[in-house]
Amino acid sequence: NAGVTQTPKFRILKIGQSMTLQCTQDMNHNYMYWYRQDPGMGLKLIYYSVGAGITDKGEVPNGYNVSRSTTEDFPLRLELAAPSQTSVYFCASRLTGGGNTIYFGEGSWLTVV
Amino acid sequence: QQQVKQSPQSLIVQKGGISIINCAYENTAFDYFPWYQQFPGKGPALLIAIRPDVSEKKEGRFTISFNKSAKQFSLHIMDSQPGDSATYFCAASNNFNKFYFGSGTKLNVKP
Repeated sequence: NAGVTQTPKFRILKIGQSMTLQCTQDMNHNYMYWYRQDPGMGLKLIYYSVGAGITDKGEVPNGYNVSRSTTEDFPLRLELAAPSQTSVYFCASRLTGGGNTIYFGEGSWLTVV
Repeated sequence: QQQVKQSPQSLIVQKGGISIINCAYENTAFDYFPWYQQFPGKGPALLIAIRPDVSEKKEGRFTISFNKSAKQFSLHIMDSQPGDSATYFCAASNNFNKFYFGSGTKLNVKP
């Protein structure tokens, strides 16, 4: 049972480039989340989804897009990368009624230069 | 606006001592308060959680104390061990849709 899997683990982007962070979970969880973690700032919610076809903005959605075409996958797209998007990104999932535990992936380290 | 404020930012404790991390919130609609533990290079993992209808929850060496009137809650780690060295995040949720995390506390337990 793999849990929440994120790819890539590390990536360096140039300013203005675009990329997609992939996230997949094999636990049949309906909720999925994308967080970014900056030093001393904790985890900030970027986008979340309550199920396939439904997404909603979190605290810091600007510069990002998401889609949820299947229960398993929740990719995060960065358009026109900026240095301010240098961060560690965590994908997570949760099952409604499943004890309310959020399960996190191991993170994707992104540097924009 | 920080929904959950956490302190201290870092904490050094001797082995066997008590580690205490504090969090405060403003939104009285929050009804679930988990603590997450994160080791370097890993994602956060649920440690312990509490609902506001109880004032304390204990699991092994980890205890959450909850003060609803003060809108504060804290994590106590008794008999702290070097293996407890990690970053700890408090969080709060309203109806479990969105989870708001504190800024994190880096705990270092000295042997």
